[in-house]
Amino acid sequence: KNQVEQSPQSLIILEGKNCTLQCNYTVSPFSNLRWYKQDTGRGPVSLTIMTFSENTKSNGRYTATLDADTKQSSLHITASQLSDSASYICVVSGYSRGNTGKLIFGQGTTLQVKP
Amino acid sequence: GAGVSQSPRYKVAKRGQDVALRCDPISGHVSLFWYQQALGQGPEFLTYFQNEAQLDKSGLPSDRFFAERPEGSVSTLKIQRTQQEDSAVYLCASSLGRGQYTYEQYFGPGTRLTVT
Repeated sequence: KNQVEQSPQSLIILEGKNCTLQCNYTVSPFSNLRWYKQDTGRGPVSLTIMTFSENTKSNGRYTATLDADTKQSSLHITASQLSDSASYICVVSGYSRGNTGKLIFGQGTTLQVKP
Repeated sequence: GAGVSQSPRYKVAKRGQDVALRCDPISGHVSLFWYQQALGQGPEFLTYFQNEAQLDKSGLPSDRFFAERPEGSVSTLKIQRTQQEDSAVYLCASSLGRGQYTYEQYFGPGTRLTVT
C-alpha cells in the first residue's frame, strides 16, 4: 500500500476557477510535507514545505494545509490559470536517526485548466 | 546560477545495452539524489550522495544499477544490461545541506530512457 495517496487522480477545471487537491499519508515518524508542481517533460518544482507544527503555508495562489493528527494535507489553487496545468505531487519526508529519511512521493494529481 | 542539468535528455537503448546518465548539480550543493519515475507515477528514490560518499543506495532495484560521484560534484547513474522494465524518466536532484529531508531539493529535467 502506498504511504502517500493523492486524490483525485486527475482533474479538469475552467480557467479562473478554484480547486483543491488532497493528500493522505501514513509515513511515520513524520518530518515534513511538500507539494511539488511538475510540468510535462520537466523536473518537479517545490511549491511549499511544511513541518508537523505548521497548519498552512501559502505561495502566491497556492495554499497548502496540513493536519498532522489525521495525516492529511490539501493544496488549494485560487483563480486558476492555463499555466497551472501540470501534475501536482505530494511528498512526505520520514524521519530517521542520521538524517537519512527518504522523500516518499505520491503518484500525483494531473490538473488540466481549460480556457 | 544555473540549475540542475542532466544529459542526455532522451536515450533509446536496445535491451542488453549499457547506458550512462549524467547529472550536473547546482554548484556547491552537498547532497545529490537520483530518482526513477515511471509513466504516470511519482518519483521513487534510488540513491543519495553526500559529497562523494554514497550514503544510501537502498532504492537501486538491482545490481545492474550503479551510481557514482567521484569528486563530489557531477554524478553518473549507470545501468548495465538494460531491460524493458528500466524504461522510465531518471531524475536527479541536489540540495545545499546534508540529509534527505530537511533541505529543499532542486530537480533537473530528467533523462527519459526507453529500452526497446
